Amino acid sequence: AQSVTQLGSHVSVSEGALVLLRCNYSSSVPPYLFWYVQYPNQGLQLLLKYTSAATLVKGINGFEAEFKKSETSFHLTKPSAHMSDAAEYFCAVSQYGNKLVFGAGTILRVKS
Amino acid sequence: NAGVTQTPKFRVLKTGQSMTLLCAQDMNHEYMYWYRQDPGMGLRLIHYSVGEGTTAKGEVPDGYNVSRLKKQNFLLGLESAAPSQTSVYFCASSRPTRQETQYFGPGTRLLVL
Repeated sequence: AQSVTQLGSHVSVSEGALVLLRCNYSSSVPPYLFWYVQYPNQGLQLLLKYTSAATLVKGINGFEAEFKKSETSFHLTKPSAHMSDAAEYFCAVSQYGNKLVFGAGTILRVKS
Repeated sequence: NAGVTQTPKFRVLKTGQSMTLLCAQDMNHEYMYWYRQDPGMGLRLIHYSVGEGTTAKGEVPDGYNVSRLKKQNFLLGLESAAPSQTSVYFCASSRPTRQETQYFGPGTRLLVL
């Protein structure tokens, strides 16, 4: 069975600082991994996904994530936070049947 | 393209009432899903469909029913609403393979009193 753990339900950074959101997964099959972002009162939007082509994945809005099989991790980073990055971020792993298993989410706060 | 749309956006129900949430997609996707989002729990899969006329249970199916009579529509029904069903409901759609992106609707906020 697949599962996802996101460390830290809330993360606060200053504008211009590094953003690091942590995601660890467990999977009985080769994983496909996703990061989604949810802005207030909106649906989820794909940031990036890992589908085994490359371990370093670049997404929208300057975000990237690195797949590390040995650490079963897929952490999300951005070198410099912007106020518009304030949102909730979800990591997810895909099961057979393309069903997604989500982590609990991390709310990112950006301080000016 | 509108993508994935959901109706209604917000609804208040009394315990025991019934309602249907409608999801529509215009991307010709085979797969459709219903999730519920609760604080601190992420999104959990209620039911899903791999094609017109087919449905299957997800992680939290109790108290819900679904139908997929047309490829573009996926309906979620609550026969007798309970306060525990107060949540935000999201519909999504995708192509069939496991690496495909799921596209989400804007959500329906449901309050059961």
